[in-house]
Amino acid sequence: EAEVAQSPRYKITEKSQAVAFWCDPISGHATLYWYRQILGQGPELLVQFQDESVVDDSQLPKDRFSAERLKGVDSTLKIQPAELGDSAMYLCASSWGSNNEQFFGPGTRLTVL
Amino acid sequence: DQQVKQNSPSLSVQEGRISILNCDYTNSMFDYFLWYKKYPAEGPTFLISISSIKDKNEDGRFTVFLNKSAKHLSLHIVPSQPGDSAVYFCAASVGGNQFYFGTGTSLTVIP
Repeated sequence: EAEVAQSPRYKITEKSQAVAFWCDPISGHATLYWYRQILGQGPELLVQFQDESVVDDSQLPKDRFSAERLKGVDSTLKIQPAELGDSAMYLCASSWGSNNEQFFGPGTRLTVL
Repeated sequence: DQQVKQNSPSLSVQEGRISILNCDYTNSMFDYFLWYKKYPAEGPTFLISISSIKDKNEDGRFTVFLNKSAKHLSLHIVPSQPGDSAVYFCAASVGGNQFYFGTGTSLTVIP
């Protein structure tokens, strides 16, 4: 069964360091999402791609976060510099189109010390 | 501002009985709603969806009801099974963009 792949699964870093997360969506899925989930809360959308184009990044803290999906397939989310408040689960999801069910990856658990 | 709210952080139900999970929203423009289930250390898994043109959608043991006038949707699980124990999130969007998630309800089904 096709799955959304994410790596790494866990990341511990010190504040002010740079971190990067990778996501490989299900083959053929045009829409890709990055979410941040803080403990005890629901996922919060950071950025949405349609193929290689950003559809929505209104909730992305652009002073430190960046995301790209250069060839419209896999995607990278970067944080530079990391802050203590960035500790969270970072989830990637993909779907056939924007109004379809989203398939989530297992997430990357980030801890900033 | 939380546009999608799940006011019950937890729910316990006896095996075989009905589980009812509730979700309220504030944005009347939302036209697509989904329910996800999440086990620890895993990403959310899609359960069921409903568009605003319907008021009910059923899939096996899972039924979602939408009351647009009350801006309320609910997920019914009948009969509840121990394997249903998980955190359930509702989500809403306008035209499939900018999905908003609730804070989740942790369901425990007691054998």
